[in-house]
Amino acid sequence: DQQVKQNSPSLSVQEGRISILNCDYTNSMFDYFLWYKKYPAEGPTFLISISSIKDKNEDGRFTVFLNKSAKHLSLHIVPSQPGDSAVYFCAATGGTSYGKLTFGQGTILTVHP
Amino acid sequence: GAGVSQTPSNKVTEKGKYVELRCDPISGHTALYWYRQSLGQGPEFLIYFQGTGAADDSGLPNDRFFAVRPEGSVSTLKIQRTERGDSAVYLCASSLNLAGGANTGELFFGEGSRLTVL
Repeated sequence: DQQVKQNSPSLSVQEGRISILNCDYTNSMFDYFLWYKKYPAEGPTFLISISSIKDKNEDGRFTVFLNKSAKHLSLHIVPSQPGDSAVYFCAATGGTSYGKLTFGQGTILTVHP
Repeated sequence: GAGVSQTPSNKVTEKGKYVELRCDPISGHTALYWYRQSLGQGPEFLIYFQGTGAADDSGLPNDRFFAVRPEGSVSTLKIQRTERGDSAVYLCASSLNLAGGANTGELFFGEGSRLTVL
């Protein structure tokens, strides 16, 4: 069973516009969420995180929103830049699973100049 | 180097052979994780260590897979009697604190070891 789902395999955005990447989860024990970015032939790199006690966390051009009732989170990138083109993974942990991140399948973001 | 180092970067082996993958974490990081990533999928948890002990090995798919971290630093993932389905990128990560919880530890990933079983 896929406890963390990213239903959009890919997203294409024009440079300067907003990119919105979505993630859904099913395990109500998850209370900490992270986004990772991955370039080809590299390991994932941490981007931003949010605790379930918050509904928004912002870091520069990146903002993560958490809707606990809907078990949904989203990553907003504004403005999008060509260098943001990568695979984005949503991950979650919590409850008895601290230390174990459960990842979504990833969304390929392409930002066109 | 300053990051997580994994060797070999690429390994091609024949079905039935034994394979070892090595991970050298960031100095001072107490937690070490192994993940496996198949094509088109997100990283899948295998095992994590807090110090020398395996704190959670619930992701190891079967008893052909084993991992050790004898001195609390370098870790080795061992795969016996490899099968074609074991082909994947094996990712290692380390963190200063345990991911999640009150002292949230960001995971730092290595570039991975690509295993191909023919």
